Amino acid sequence: NAGVTQTPKFRVLKTGQSMTLLCAQDMNHEYMYWYRQDPGMGLRLIHYSVGEGTTAKGEVPDGYNVSRLKKQNFLLGLESAAPSQTSVYFCASNRDGTGELFFGEGSRLTVL
Amino acid sequence: QKEVEQDPGPLSVPEGAIVSLNCTYSNSAFQYFMWYRQYSRKGPELLMYTYSSGNKEDGRFTAQVDKSSKYISLFIRDSQPSDSATYLCAINAGGTSYGKLTFGQGTILTVHP
Repeated sequence: NAGVTQTPKFRVLKTGQSMTLLCAQDMNHEYMYWYRQDPGMGLRLIHYSVGEGTTAKGEVPDGYNVSRLKKQNFLLGLESAAPSQTSVYFCASNRDGTGELFFGEGSRLTVL
Repeated sequence: QKEVEQDPGPLSVPEGAIVSLNCTYSNSAFQYFMWYRQYSRKGPELLMYTYSSGNKEDGRFTAQVDKSSKYISLFIRDSQPSDSATYLCAINAGGTSYGKLTFGQGTILTVHP
């Protein structure tokens, strides 16, 4: 009964390095989201997807790219990491765009 | 002005106290109102979900929505140390918003024995 799984859970990068965060859900949900959480800022939406092969920008998309090649996976990429991208990243999924979002446990990223 | 403003706290209360958590929002198109609870180093989990003005009860928790004032509240009765967490209000515009949630900043609650 995994739900939403994020990998890796922790990562330290140097400025300018690239990396990809992977989100996998086993609930057959159509909608998936990437949020970042910073102290005093709540959760802010980076990108989202309404189905396999689709992606759209959220509130804070700059510096990030996403892909949804398979329905169960949603990847978040940082091409050239910056210290401002130090944050906790949460992936979430939703069955049909209504109701509850199910969240993963988060991925803590530090950019030095 | 942020679309959703939440009293930031932090709040520290003794066990058994009644806790009141509050958010205001600016967009009258918002239709669905939720409260998420987030334990330290965990993802948020849905606590309460409502879509109409009025009160909704679930055990010790009551969610209150006043659409005319654009104000939502969460009350916790007989608070317990296990209620210590960050509480996030979240709002969904419905329709073509594709389930996107707009969150408040979160309130850190500590209930001490």
